[in-house]
Amino acid sequence: EVQLLESGGGLVQPGGSLRLSCAASGFTFSNYAMSWVRQAPGKGLEWVSTISDSGGRTYDADSVKGRFTISRDNSKNTLYLQMNSLRVEDTAVYYCAKMTDYWGQGTLVTVSS
Amino acid sequence: QAGLTQPPSVSKGLRQTATLTCTGNSNNVGNQGAAWLQQHQGHPPKLLSNRNNNRPSGISERLSASRSGNTASLTITGLQPEDEADYYCSAWDSSLSGWVFGGGTKLTVL
Repeated sequence: EVQLLESGGGLVQPGGSLRLSCAASGFTFSNYAMSWVRQAPGKGLEWVSTISDSGGRTYDADSVKGRFTISRDNSKNTLYLQMNSLRVEDTAVYYCAKMTDYWGQGTLVTVSS
Repeated sequence: QAGLTQPPSVSKGLRQTATLTCTGNSNNVGNQGAAWLQQHQGHPPKLLSNRNNNRPSGISERLSASRSGNTASLTITGLQPEDEADYYCSAWDSSLSGWVFGGGTKLTVL
């Protein structure tokens, strides 16, 4: 059974940093690109970042470019999202996804003073 | 980043048929196909149909997906109360090098 378990969310002040993790199991993690997708309260889904299977290529939405960094450790079957210079508008539930097949339960990031 | 276009809401009666649409362009839906996701309040999205219009195991045969040009469609027959949810389409955009989503359609079963 495929499982994606996010962690690392929480409350952070504007300008602060947070690192999200996603532990994957039930499939050969190193064979697949992985993504982060977020959903602001009451809003739709927004793609954030994608990383290739090897980690050699990354793709970011314009809204997070230069502030967020996606990475992975295939030896640990874990996906990461380093979020810096956080803004109030980054407040959302962040989902780890093997697009579009499997999704984690999400972790809530709240950016507020 | 430009997204896909979905009607904000659709309302249909119990046991009726609903068709949801998703319009993109030749860089995303027209070229890559679109996946359909269902999301109930407070839950993560769930795949209903992949970009090749195939249903994953366990997804009801009442659902079927198709595409014509730059528009993808999801048809749900024999509507049930549990079909009431938000529905999103998604596609890889080869021009943007990123995933794009529709704004979502809220399906109400009357």
